[in-house]
Amino acid sequence: NAGVMQNPRHLVRRRGQEARLRCSPMKGHSHVYWYRQLPEEGLKFMVYLQKENIIDESGMPKERFSAEFPKEGPSILRIQQVVRGDSAAYFCASSTRLQETQYFGPGTRLLVL
Amino acid sequence: AQSVTQLDSQVPVFEEAPVELRCNYSSSVSVYLFWYVQYPNQGLQLLLKYLSGSTLVKSINGFEAEFNKSQTSFHLRKPSVHISDTAEYFCAVSQSGSQGNLIFGKGTKLSVKP
Repeated sequence: NAGVMQNPRHLVRRRGQEARLRCSPMKGHSHVYWYRQLPEEGLKFMVYLQKENIIDESGMPKERFSAEFPKEGPSILRIQQVVRGDSAAYFCASSTRLQETQYFGPGTRLLVL
Repeated sequence: AQSVTQLDSQVPVFEEAPVELRCNYSSSVSVYLFWYVQYPNQGLQLLLKYLSGSTLVKSINGFEAEFNKSQTSFHLRKPSVHISDTAEYFCAVSQSGSQGNLIFGKGTKLSVKP
């Protein structure tokens, strides 16, 4: 049973470009969480999604960030017009249902030049 | 609001020595507690968790943690560490009845020296 998959593992963007981060949850998992880890910091919750629904986006910046989890395909975290402060590791986690253990992917390390 | 405090940002120890990584949380409601380990440039791996029942939980590689409700703590311990335990350890809490998002501490870097 494959774990949570994220791609790309590393992403370099110039200021003003768009970044798209993908997350494929574990088989059988329908709950997806996105977290951001800034240098020397712990992970911060961004958004929680189920298939076709955003359940909790209280941790998402108000502008430039969006997330989706379509009926088919991976979950996507999209960052428009990236700035240097967006440089971080972005982790996706999935679970079978609410309050169940979350399993993390290897992360996407975004570097904005 | 919930928060998690990991009191030590770095813990250096010698191989085969015991170690304790401290974690305290604040919450006014019941919580679930987790320890995750992160090796360099990798994702987080679940080490152990407390959901209910016995307050002492153990991992397969010799770590254990004890939930202490009165002290709001969930310290991680290992009686004898190995070089391979060198990693960053994150304590996390999830509020029972919530949407399930985890609140993380800032992490503790465990460095095991020969």
